[in-house]
Amino acid sequence: DQQVKQNSPSLSVQEGRISILNCDYTNSMFDYFLWYKKYPAEGPTFLISISSIKDKNEDGRFTVFLNKSAKHLSLHIVPSQPGDSAVYFCAASTGNQFYFGTGTSLTVIP
Amino acid sequence: GAVVSQHPSRVICKSGTSVKIECRSLDFQATTMFWYRQFPKQSLMLMATSNEGSKATYEQGVEKDKFLINHASLTLSTLTVTSAHPEDSSFYICSARRDQVETQYFGPGTRLLVL
Repeated sequence: DQQVKQNSPSLSVQEGRISILNCDYTNSMFDYFLWYKKYPAEGPTFLISISSIKDKNEDGRFTVFLNKSAKHLSLHIVPSQPGDSAVYFCAASTGNQFYFGTGTSLTVIP
Repeated sequence: GAVVSQHPSRVICKSGTSVKIECRSLDFQATTMFWYRQFPKQSLMLMATSNEGSKATYEQGVEKDKFLINHASLTLSTLTVTSAHPEDSSFYICSARRDQVETQYFGPGTRLLVL
């Protein structure tokens, strides 16, 4: 059973516009959420995280929003740049258990 | 930052041989390391979790006798694929986590091709 879901396998956005990547989860015990960016044939790179006690965390062009009641988190990238084109994984953790979504492939069109 | 390295980055081996992949945390001590496998266009699949000084915990469906994991020190974990078969060909990625820190930091991955 997939505890972390990314329902959009791909997303295309024009350069300079906002990219919004979504993630849903089912386990209310998750207490930490993370976003990773991955290029082909490379390991994921940590982008940004948020604790379950917060609803927003911002780092430069990246902002993560957490809606606990809806069990939903999103990653906003603004403005989007061509170098942002990659696969984005969301992850949720509780203790030592990490659960990853299936990824969303973002393409930023110049 | 937290840097994790993997060696080798790419390996080609013959069927039936064993391959060892190293995962090192370069600038921090990793109490926990994770090993993942990724098939083309699929998500990361957790294979096992290893804690320094203790036996690895394998996920359901992962053969512990085939994928030997050793976490001998706080900076090194190894994954040995024993008696490799072509279906073991994949992209293997390790990650490391510091004590009391939630974030996992990933290595660059190892591409294994078994002929």
